Amino acid sequence: KAGVTQTPRYLIKTRGQQVTLSCSPISGHRSVSWYQQTPGQGLQFLFEYFSETQRNKGNFPGRFSGRQFSNSRSEMNVSTLELGDSALYLCASSSQGQVSTDTQYFGPGTRLTVL
Amino acid sequence: KQEVTQIPAALSVPEGENLVLNCSFTDSAIYNLQWFRQDPGKGLTSLLLIQSSQREQTSGRLNASLDKSSGRSTLYIAASQPGDSATYLCAVSTGANNLFFGTGTRLTVIP
Repeated sequence: KAGVTQTPRYLIKTRGQQVTLSCSPISGHRSVSWYQQTPGQGLQFLFEYFSETQRNKGNFPGRFSGRQFSNSRSEMNVSTLELGDSALYLCASSSQGQVSTDTQYFGPGTRLTVL
Repeated sequence: KQEVTQIPAALSVPEGENLVLNCSFTDSAIYNLQWFRQDPGKGLTSLLLIQSSQREQTSGRLNASLDKSSGRSTLYIAASQPGDSATYLCAVSTGANNLFFGTGTRLTVIP
């Protein structure tokens, strides 16, 4: 089974631009979560989608948004980029969205650099 | 707000030694606790998941324990190998696939 894939792997943008990142979960998985990893803040939860519905959202500004398609693929969008948005963005998928038992499988991440 | 702490931040051991990584969390209302490893520039690999009702889980040379009442977990690695060198992260789940991560322990196993 193919793992979680994320595209692109690397991205360079300038302040004020917007960016869209893509995540394809493991086949059959219906839950996709997004995380931001920075040296200063570590790994922080952005949001989670299950069957095209956002179930949970972390403490990030409205510039961060996402969506999930019927095939479970997910995209996240960041508008009006700021220097502080430079980070590794990770997505993770799990099969049933069962909180207590589901293992999350992570993709390799997208490294976003904002200049 | 849930806070997860990992001690030590970095650890170097000679090959073959047994070692323990520590994780503590402030709110015991968790669904599960997971241990991950992260290699430089890569995503996370799940190692073990302990449900809130369980006390420990084992996988090969790895053993993780959970004491929910005291807000602590340990990851025991037996007979360490250079390939175990990585950053180890613990995370607790408090809701629908919402993980709170610790800051990690960077492990170096010296051949």
